[in-house]
Amino acid sequence: SQQGEEDPQALSIQEGENATMNCSYKTSINNLQWYRQNSGRGLVHLILIRSNEREKHSGRLRVTLDTSKKSSSLLITASRAADTASYFCATDAFYNQGGKLIFGQGTELSVKP
Amino acid sequence: GAGVSQSPRYKVAKRGQDVALRCDPISGHVSLFWYQQALGQGPEFLTYFQNEAQLDKSGLPSDRFFAERPEGSVSTLKIQRTQQEDSAVYLCASSQRFLNTEAFFGQGTRLTVV
Repeated sequence: SQQGEEDPQALSIQEGENATMNCSYKTSINNLQWYRQNSGRGLVHLILIRSNEREKHSGRLRVTLDTSKKSSSLLITASRAADTASYFCATDAFYNQGGKLIFGQGTELSVKP
Repeated sequence: GAGVSQSPRYKVAKRGQDVALRCDPISGHVSLFWYQQALGQGPEFLTYFQNEAQLDKSGLPSDRFFAERPEGSVSTLKIQRTQQEDSAVYLCASSQRFLNTEAFFGQGTRLTVV
């Protein structure tokens, strides 16, 4: 079963706008990761945030993590049409061995030119 | 190779047929994972290898599913007596270490059982 819940399920914005996606999870974690998936393709890793980190940046991406609320958000600034994809959060649960990931249902982002 | 390679990309199987899906991980990656992704859903964990040892197979949905990685490199996911509910994309991922590290995913094998 999937641990994460993502919100919204779908998001449509204009190019240049910011996109924010949220993820909630249930158990204690080692880290939380965000992945992007273009239609019919494999997943591409975007960013990893460890349980002792609160915020992380990578280019136009900003991720926050609130372990007390068991939630994370992904912000994509100045969006481009090429950002159109599904975005998944995935947690590496504290009790895991080996880095097994539990994925959310995903947010489908559409960026209109 | 440059990335994780999976074959075949597409597979159509008649109900009851056995199938074998192959994954070539990134060279030197210790960890290998299989996930199943139904249409419109996030990937769901199937099984995990550290080198040749299968350390977690808790996600395999039934005993018709079997995975191996005999030499700690290439892995095969076998599904016996396929059923329609097995139709999904099967994703393989590898990672360099086993803690706090990103996973690199292959393009997946889309299995359709008719």
